[in-house]
Amino acid sequence: SQTIHQWPATLVQPVGSPLSLECTVEGTSNPNLYWYRQAAGRGLQLLFYSVGIGQISSEVPQNLSASRPQDRQFILSSKKLLLSDSGFYLCAWTKAREGAWSNQPQHFGDGTRLSIL
Amino acid sequence: SQQGEEDPQALSIQEGENATMNCSYKTSINNLQWYRQNSGRGLVHLILIRSNEREKHSGRLRVTLDTSKKSSSLLITASRAADTASYFCATVDSNYQLIWGAGTKLIIKP
Repeated sequence: SQTIHQWPATLVQPVGSPLSLECTVEGTSNPNLYWYRQAAGRGLQLLFYSVGIGQISSEVPQNLSASRPQDRQFILSSKKLLLSDSGFYLCAWTKAREGAWSNQPQHFGDGTRLSIL
Repeated sequence: SQQGEEDPQALSIQEGENATMNCSYKTSINNLQWYRQNSGRGLVHLILIRSNEREKHSGRLRVTLDTSKKSSSLLITASRAADTASYFCATVDSNYQLIWGAGTKLIIKP
């Protein structure tokens, strides 16, 4: 069966510090991968998605970047965190189909709660 | 941008009652999906309904889709305390863009 892991679960970082959040998927090959941010009590905002190694699409211009160094690894990074980067970050995957979006359900990790001080 | 809108924003009912949540959207869709999110956790997929379907069931869940009104409803029958969560709809439009609503927070009172 497929599983998705995100870490860390919680993170408290000072303004201006770097960030690296990691997401890995097991039990499937060539998944489509997604990074979302969720503000408190709100819906999901898509940040990045990837259909393959080294292929990253950005949905929202911002202080963050994403990388996919391996087929089932997706990393969210920042060189200098801002207060506005606080939030709940979720990684998700779908089975590979034509294009990034498909009729497949998304499978989510348990998220990382990021607090910027 | 988030074009899906859930209604109501919050719903509190007694255990055993039925809970109905609605989702409206603005563009034509390929499919519509409902997800549940327990507090502080990731989202869990519940049901996917395609644009050519009108109703779908899964256990105590019933989803309807009215493409003429651009709306969907999620009915949870015989609610349980474990159903307490936020529920989100997500639409996949004809350009295969996934659009999320802001969610309905459901509280089941024992």
